[in-house]
Amino acid sequence: GAGVSQTPSNKVTEKGKYVELRCDPISGHTALYWYRQSLGQGPEFLIYFQGTGAADDSGLPNDRFFAVRPEGSVSTLKIQRTERGDSAVYLCASSPSGTRPHEQYFGPGTRLTVT
Amino acid sequence: AQRVTQPEKLLSVFKGAPVELKCNYSYSGSPELFWYVQYSRQRLQLLLRHISRESIKGFTADLNKGETSFHLKKPFAQEEDSAMYYCALGNQAGTALIFGKGTTLSVSS
Repeated sequence: GAGVSQTPSNKVTEKGKYVELRCDPISGHTALYWYRQSLGQGPEFLIYFQGTGAADDSGLPNDRFFAVRPEGSVSTLKIQRTERGDSAVYLCASSPSGTRPHEQYFGPGTRLTVT
Repeated sequence: AQRVTQPEKLLSVFKGAPVELKCNYSYSGSPELFWYVQYSRQRLQLLLRHISRESIKGFTADLNKGETSFHLKKPFAQEEDSAMYYCALGNQAGTALIFGKGTTLSVSS
C-alpha cells in the first residue's frame, strides 16, 4: 500500500511569510507525528496526534507553529511569520497505535528554506 | 532527563569488517529503544527495536541497562550497509521518539 506522503517536497519562502505543510498518513493509522530535522541533527519531536486531537504539542517551539488534523487523517503543519531559523526538513510519521511510540512510518519530508 | 547520545558522527570501515555503532541513553525506568536507518535518497525507516530481540540484515542490538547502552552491531559489514543510522528512545509520556544525532556508516571495498 501507499506509504506516508508529504507535500510539497520542497518549499522556499521569504522571511515573514506563512507556510503550510501537508501530511497524508498511511490509511487507518490513528497516530500521527511531526518532527523537524535541522542540518546535522536527528529528528526533533514537534507534535503528536491521536485521532483528531493533539495529544502532545510540547515540542512546538513557539506560538508561530500550529498543526491540525480535522478529520483524523490528513494533517497540516502551519508556520506563521517564518524565520530563517525555521529552515529544516519537516518529517511526518504515522503509526497504527497511539498508546506507545510503536514503529513509526516516516514520510519523505518537506525541505523548508526561509530566505 | 531523557536523552540519546551517539558519540560518533562518522564511522568508516572496510567491507567484511565488524561494525559497532554506539548509542547511550538517559532514562528513568524501562526504556523502549530503536534503531532507524536512512539510506541515500530514501526515507527514514525502522531497522530494529530492542523489545523484539531480532536480527535484521545481520544487525543486532542488545540493551545493556547497566551501561545504559544500545549499541548496533554487525559482524561483517557490506557496502549496502552504508547509510545514516539513528538511535531512538521512546519518551516517558509514550507520545514520541527522541533521536540521537545520527552516525554515518561508510563501508568501502
